[in-house]
Amino acid sequence: AQTVTQSQPEMSVQEAETVTLSCTYDTSESNYYLFWYKQPPSRQMILVIRQEAYKQQNATENRFSVNFQKAAKSFSLKISDSQLGDTAMYFCAFDQTGANNLFFGTGTRLTVIP
Amino acid sequence: DAGVIQSPRHEVTEMGQEVTLRCKPISGHDYLFWYRQTMMRGLELLIYFNNNVPIDDSGMPEDRFSAKMPNASFSTLKIQPSEPRDSAVYFCASMGLAVQNEQFFGPGTRLTVL
Repeated sequence: AQTVTQSQPEMSVQEAETVTLSCTYDTSESNYYLFWYKQPPSRQMILVIRQEAYKQQNATENRFSVNFQKAAKSFSLKISDSQLGDTAMYFCAFDQTGANNLFFGTGTRLTVIP
Repeated sequence: DAGVIQSPRHEVTEMGQEVTLRCKPISGHDYLFWYRQTMMRGLELLIYFNNNVPIDDSGMPEDRFSAKMPNASFSTLKIQPSEPRDSAVYFCASMGLAVQNEQFFGPGTRLTVL
């Protein structure tokens, strides 16, 4: 069974600084997708970034980037130049290719401090 | 595109009543998912459809829960009879084949069963 672990329940960062959120997962599959979703107080789930396991290059989306370590089964999210609007819950998620079943971690609550 | 639409946004009902949650997926998306989010269990997949056909309902907690997708633009999740432990946020998500394994979430329905 796939499991996703986020070991940091809460984090804070000063505005304009950089923060890294951790995620590890466990799977016996070789083909899969990894995601980071953001859930602000409005509770809308917003896709931040995705990574295909077969790609060695780390995904980036503007201020968001990941450090994907396949052998270590690690998938951390780095937020650069943090903004107040980044305050939210962040969920790491795993989806085995073709399974269409997103497994979510328990989330990390990030607070950006002015 | 309007995104995934869910209604109602909030529902308060009394134990024993029937509750129906509604979802309109993004036009052209072939997959539709129902998730439940609680503090205790986090985000869980309840059921998903492909081309209006239920594919995996193993996450549906019990017989009191049922889901239908009568056409490509509409799905319902029904709870009958409702119980206080059903209180949660219920999300609908849809996915197309253009971007594999990327699910787009609706704003969720917050259900409170008294």
